[in-house]
Amino acid sequence: SQTIHQWPATLVQPVGSPLSLECTVEGTSNPNLYWYRQAAGRGLQLLFYSVGIGQISSEVPQNLSASRPQDRQFILSSKKLLLSDSGFYLCAHGRRGANVLTFGAGSRLTVL
Amino acid sequence: AQKITQTQPGMFVQEKEAVTLDCTYDTSDQSYGLFWYKQPSSGEMIFLIYQGSYDEQNATEGRYSLNFQKARKSANLVISASQLGDSAMYFCAGSTPGTYKYIFGTGTRLKVLA
Repeated sequence: SQTIHQWPATLVQPVGSPLSLECTVEGTSNPNLYWYRQAAGRGLQLLFYSVGIGQISSEVPQNLSASRPQDRQFILSSKKLLLSDSGFYLCAHGRRGANVLTFGAGSRLTVL
Repeated sequence: AQKITQTQPGMFVQEKEAVTLDCTYDTSDQSYGLFWYKQPSSGEMIFLIYQGSYDEQNATEGRYSLNFQKARKSANLVISASQLGDSAMYFCAGSTPGTYKYIFGTGTRLKVLA
């Protein structure tokens, strides 16, 4: 079965500090990988998606970047966090040929 | 551009009654997939149901059914026999096959009353 892991689950960071959120997938190969952000009480905003190692598509220009160093690893980063980066970050994967997105448990980021 | 619209920010339903959550989609693509996800207070996103725009029959999964009306570009979620555990945020999402992109609506918060 497929499993998607996200960590850390909760993070409190000061403004201007760096960020690294990690996501790994088990039980599938060559998945499509996604990072979404959910602001408090809001919907999901697609940030990045990746269809293969080193292939990153950015949906919204911002303070964040993503990398895919391995087939089943997707990392969300920032060099200097802003207050507006606070939110709930969800990693998801989609299997080739299948329609459904499967989500990780999420990482809640608070920037102070 | 594709867009998913959920016009009900919040809904209440009495336990054991049915409730319909609205979703409309805006796309010029001939083929489109619609999804519903449930997000409890824990934050996890739970897949509920899917229907493709060319599917003949409305999808059903247990107490969930999708009332799909292609002419109106709507894909409403119907929850029958509501339970207290159904209280959560519900998100409609859409995707054009092969594009890898999934667009989500702003969600509807459902509260089931005892």
